[in-house]
This record gives sequence, C-alpha cells and structure tokens, in this order.
Amino acid sequence: AQSVTQLDSHVSVSEGTPVLLRCNYSSSYSPSLFWYVQHPNKGLQLLLKYTSAATLVKGINGFEAEFKKSETSFHLTKPSAHMSDAAEYFCVVSTNQGGKLIFGQGTELSVKP
Amino acid sequence: EAQVTQNPRYLITVTGKKLTVTCSQNMNHEYMSWYRQDPGLGLRQIYYSMNVEVTDKGDVPEGYKVSRKEKRNFPLILESPSPNQTSLYFCASSPRQGGHEQFFGPGTRLTVL
Repeated sequence: AQSVTQLDSHVSVSEGTPVLLRCNYSSSYSPSLFWYVQHPNKGLQLLLKYTSAATLVKGINGFEAEFKKSETSFHLTKPSAHMSDAAEYFCVVSTNQGGKLIFGQGTELSVKP
Repeated sequence: EAQVTQNPRYLITVTGKKLTVTCSQNMNHEYMSWYRQDPGLGLRQIYYSMNVEVTDKGDVPEGYKVSRKEKRNFPLILESPSPNQTSLYFCASSPRQGGHEQFFGPGTRLTVL
C-alpha cells in the first residue's frame, strides 16, 4: 500500500532564507510523486512531479525536490523564500489503483518579512 | 483556456436537502475525481471515474453519488446531506489514470446546517 507523510504541519521562515518541506513516502513499487501548492482560498496548483526520470526535479517559482529512494523521501526546497510563497503545500503519491492520488496532511508555510 | 470549473463555489444548505455540485472540464480528459479537504487530513478521494459510464468509490464515498454520462461532466450528488459533510470539495481531471498530473477546480465550500 502507498502512503505519504509530511513531517511538519507548519514551517516558518524569514524572507530570503531557504525553505525545506519534508515528505516521506511508502510505496511497494516505483511511485510517481508530486508537490502541489494551495494559496489561501484557491485551488491546487502543481509545483513539480517525479516520474522516474531525473531524481532532482525542478518546478515552478524556483522550487525543486530530490527523490531519494534509499531514504524514501521527496523533500521540497527553495534557496530563498519570498512572501508570495506563503501557502499550504501537499506532497502526493500516485497509486496503481485507478489513478488515485494519496495526499499528505499538508505543510503550512509562513514567510516573515 | 484549459480549466476545470465547479459550481457553485459556495453553498449553505440544511440537513436532508438534496444538492448537486457540478464539475466540468474542457481538456477532453478521461479521468475525473472528487476530493474533500478537511483540516489536518489533507485531501481524501470520494469517487473517481476512468471514463464515461465508469465510476468507482474512493476512500470516503459514504453519503455521496456521482455520474459520468458525458466525458466533460462529473457531478457530485448529496442525496441527504448531513453536517459531517461540511467541507471543501475539489474536482480534478487528468488525461489518463496513473502517474499523471491532475488539474484541480477552484473548490466548492459546502456548509450543511
């Protein structure tokens, strides 16, 4: 069975400092992994996805994530936070059951001036 | 513009009064899905559809119905809403099942009194 765990429910950083949002997954086969972002009162937008090509995946708005099979992790990073990055972030694994996505509980990112 | 639309965006209703939330996509996607989002639980899948006239239960289908008579539409029906169905609902679509990005609608905030 597949599962995903986001290790922090809330992360707070200062503007201009690095961002690290942690995600561990469990999958019995090679998974597809995604990070989605949800800004307040908005729908979900895809940040990036891993589908067994390069292990370092670059996304929109300067975000990237590294797939580490040995650690079963897919952490999201950004070198320098911007105020507009304040949002909720979801790590997601795609299952082999009818295209079902399994969402982590979400990490709320706050960015202080 | 490629998009997933949902209506209504906001709805307040009373227990037992049947309602339908519509979902439509203009990308000719085969796969469509409904999720509910509750604080601390991320998104959980309610129902999904792999093509016209093909639907199946997700993780939390109790109290919901769906239909897929046309490729573009996937309405969510609550025949007798209850307060525990108060939630934020998202419709999503993707080209096919498995490993593909899902495109999300803007969400419908439902309150059942």
